Amino acid sequence: NAGVMQNPRHLVRRRGQEARLRCSPMKGHSHVYWYRQLPEEGLKFMVYLQKENIIDESGMPKERFSAEFPKEGPSILRIQQVVRGDSAAYFCASSPNTEAKNIQYFGAGTRLSVL
Amino acid sequence: AQKITQTQPGMFVQEKEAVTLDCTYDTSDPSYGLFWYKQPSSGEMIFLIYQGSYDQQNATEGRYSLNFQKARKSANLVISASQLGDSAMYFCAMRDSGSSNTGKLIFGQGTTLQVKP
Repeated sequence: NAGVMQNPRHLVRRRGQEARLRCSPMKGHSHVYWYRQLPEEGLKFMVYLQKENIIDESGMPKERFSAEFPKEGPSILRIQQVVRGDSAAYFCASSPNTEAKNIQYFGAGTRLSVL
Repeated sequence: AQKITQTQPGMFVQEKEAVTLDCTYDTSDPSYGLFWYKQPSSGEMIFLIYQGSYDQQNATEGRYSLNFQKARKSANLVISASQLGDSAMYFCAMRDSGSSNTGKLIFGQGTTLQVKP
């Protein structure tokens, strides 16, 4: 998986709590993507960020979800007031650029369970 | 709209045999990239192989090869000499080359492969 680090691996939250998911991209990669995987489904794009900028958030729910990628530190996907439907695996991927041959390397994912 | 379709929810293969996992795609863009990822039961997503729309030859990476048929819009993954460790979910993905050109991936539904000893 070429060094994309996500934590925590598993996260349990009660309805109404906040979930914060972290992603450190591979060294030298400045492009970060977040995807969500519901059980028995493929991954769905959520948001694409570069350092300090959100480039494309077309896959993000309009409410309760936010993402950032600060100049220093990991990218954060934040889910406020979680509901049971937010239970899923959240994957972060990084790449060095957006060219056609751009390969996105994924982290191991964070499994969010909402009780 | 761009779309990726994997029509085989599950496949079985005998150890040491070859297996083909199907993937068809739909796009009106002449420039695109196709990817295959493996997701074992542990859950991580592992990049396997990439094929560019303008590549003249089919991509190969070790035991993995991509049977790219552009006119049919198919990009099937061929795994040769299957091993027990190949048992996993396999996803086909396409780079979204919309006007935003962000490089985000569109994934198929996946195919579960089980290798029998």
